Order: sequence, then C-alpha cells, then structure tokens
Amino acid sequence: DGGITQSPKYLFRKEGQNVTLSCEQNLNHDAMYWYRQDPGQGLRLIYYSQIVNDFQKGDIAEGYSVSREKKESFPLTVTSAQKNPTAFYLCASSIVSWETQYFGPGTRLLVL
Amino acid sequence: GENVEQHPSTLSVQEGDSAVIKCTYSDSASNYFPWYKQELGKRPQLIIDIRSNVGEKKDQRIAVTLNKTAKHFSLHITETQPEDSAVYFCAASSPNTGFQKLVFGTGTRLLVSP
Repeated sequence: DGGITQSPKYLFRKEGQNVTLSCEQNLNHDAMYWYRQDPGQGLRLIYYSQIVNDFQKGDIAEGYSVSREKKESFPLTVTSAQKNPTAFYLCASSIVSWETQYFGPGTRLLVL
Repeated sequence: GENVEQHPSTLSVQEGDSAVIKCTYSDSASNYFPWYKQELGKRPQLIIDIRSNVGEKKDQRIAVTLNKTAKHFSLHITETQPEDSAVYFCAASSPNTGFQKLVFGTGTRLLVSP
C-alpha cells in the first residue's frame, strides 16, 4: 500500500467552492476507488473505476465527480453541491476489482 | 444490496487476553471477507482475509472464521498486545454485474490495556 499517495493531507473548503483531491498509484492496478469515512462509521463508496477512461457511481456519489484519464491517477472533485463534505477521504486500488484493496493515507477535508 | 453488521462497537481487554469481533452479512452470494486495522488518523491496513471456499484462516496471533450457513464471520486475536489497540473493520464483497463491491461494517474500537 506504500505505492498509493494522496494529496493534500488536509484541505479546507470555502462555501460554494469546488476542491479536488489527488490520488496516484504506481502499483499498476487497474481498479481504483474513493471512499468517505465519517467519525464512528465505516467506509462508504463514492466512485469506482475498473479500467482507465471508465468509472461508475458508488453508494454516495451525489455532489462528487471523478475522472480516470490515466491508469495511475483517479482524482476526486468535491463540488459545491455536496452540502456536508467534512470527512476523511480514502483512495484505494486493487489489481482487479475482486482482489485485495489497498488504501492511500487519506485526505481530511474541512469546511471553513 | 449487501449489509454488514459488526459487534461489539468497543472492546476493552487486558494485555494477553483474547479478543473476538463478529460480523454478519446479508448477501449469500458474498465470497470475500477482508479485515482491516485502522490506527488513529491512518489508512486502513489489511490484516487478514478469507474467501468463501475456506472455513478458517490463521496468521500468527490472528485468525478469521467463516460460517456461510449462518452468514457470519469473526476475527480472533490471541495474546493481545497494546499495539493491537486500533479500530478494526470487517467487510464483505459480493459480485455485482462484474464488479466486486466491498461493504464495510461500522468498526470495532479495540483497547488493550497493559
């Protein structure tokens, strides 16, 4: 899992602002994922991508958008439509979707 | 869709005791069950996993058991140490039109006292 990086570590968003969280992996994994973690709760799937140039909505996609233009990169944009964005965001990747997922170090998003 | 319930939400043990965390799942088609350990502010890290064709798997002080009939699986930690203190998450993965989606439990906070 050391091959997955996320930046920034902390991110502050102003009202009405879109912000983008970076996720990069050098593991040559086909599948990548974005999860949201709220205090005292498990991880909830936002978006996933099984292959470059393709991605699908997860359970809580409203207010978020992604792209997968390169195999190693899967950025997440938190749009102004997401009214409660404060959370810990985790990116993960796996060789293919049915294999073990490995997580990045996370980005903590706070609203000013 | 799949639903995973995890118990207990908190667990306090003395160093050297055993700890058991239990999860139940709803989708009988689920076939992959990983366990992750997450220390405060850090990423979840895989500690052990099991697939549906196996009933038990061990790795040193950690073991996972799976009961497909009852649709539950458990994490067993023996000879607990203070560094085992963390939040543990179970997950179940079921096929969904070609995509294996992981559904997580809500976590168990394990505290091991010296």
